[in-house]
Amino acid sequence: AQKITQTQPGMFVQEKEAVTLDCTYDTSDPSYGLFWYKQPSSGEMIFLIYQGSYDQQNATEGRYSLNFQKARKSANLVISASQLGDSAMYFCAMRETNTGNQFYFGTGTSLTVIP
Amino acid sequence: ETGVTQTPRHLVMGMTNKKSLKCEQHLGHNAMYWYKQSAKKPLELMFVYSLEERVENNSVPSRFSPECPNSSHLFLHLHTLQPEDSALYLCASSQGRGRVTDTQYFGPGTRLTVL
Repeated sequence: AQKITQTQPGMFVQEKEAVTLDCTYDTSDPSYGLFWYKQPSSGEMIFLIYQGSYDQQNATEGRYSLNFQKARKSANLVISASQLGDSAMYFCAMRETNTGNQFYFGTGTSLTVIP
Repeated sequence: ETGVTQTPRHLVMGMTNKKSLKCEQHLGHNAMYWYKQSAKKPLELMFVYSLEERVENNSVPSRFSPECPNSSHLFLHLHTLQPEDSALYLCASSQGRGRVTDTQYFGPGTRLTVL
């Protein structure tokens, strides 16, 4: 079974609007971390935001927030006030306590911001 | 400005060539990683080094040979590659404490084409 599932291969959003990128995960480990990365066309994976499984509040970093619904095993990324520079691939990833160094990545969502 | 650099950024090689990819991190991290990113597939973890010792090798063919001379440098030596090895090769580093909060920071990648 896939550890990380991103069901939206491509998304479009109007500039200045908010957009939600979906991510669901599969784990039986009670302690895990969830990450979102942005990959522009240049190739570099840029770390955006982190959510721990025991965190009581949803993580926020500037215009990025994570809608963490533990019971549903979802960790959706919300980007507010979209900018043209937000156009990129977005990857959800998970790290479990039991699997140490292994990072599990989804297949990514391509976001295009329309002027 | 990235704390992880990779050279070269682009590489074209024939199947009989020998080449090396270089990664350097300036973040004071103890763990370094090689990933392969092919189109339409999730990132594949290839190798993990922690404190200069290889701790993970995810069934990677022997035509890929990693080397970690110190905690700041990581190499990937390539020889007799196949066209299906063409991909983006990403290097990452992390503090390496094995906790779920251990965020990986990526370099810009090397785009490899095998003819």
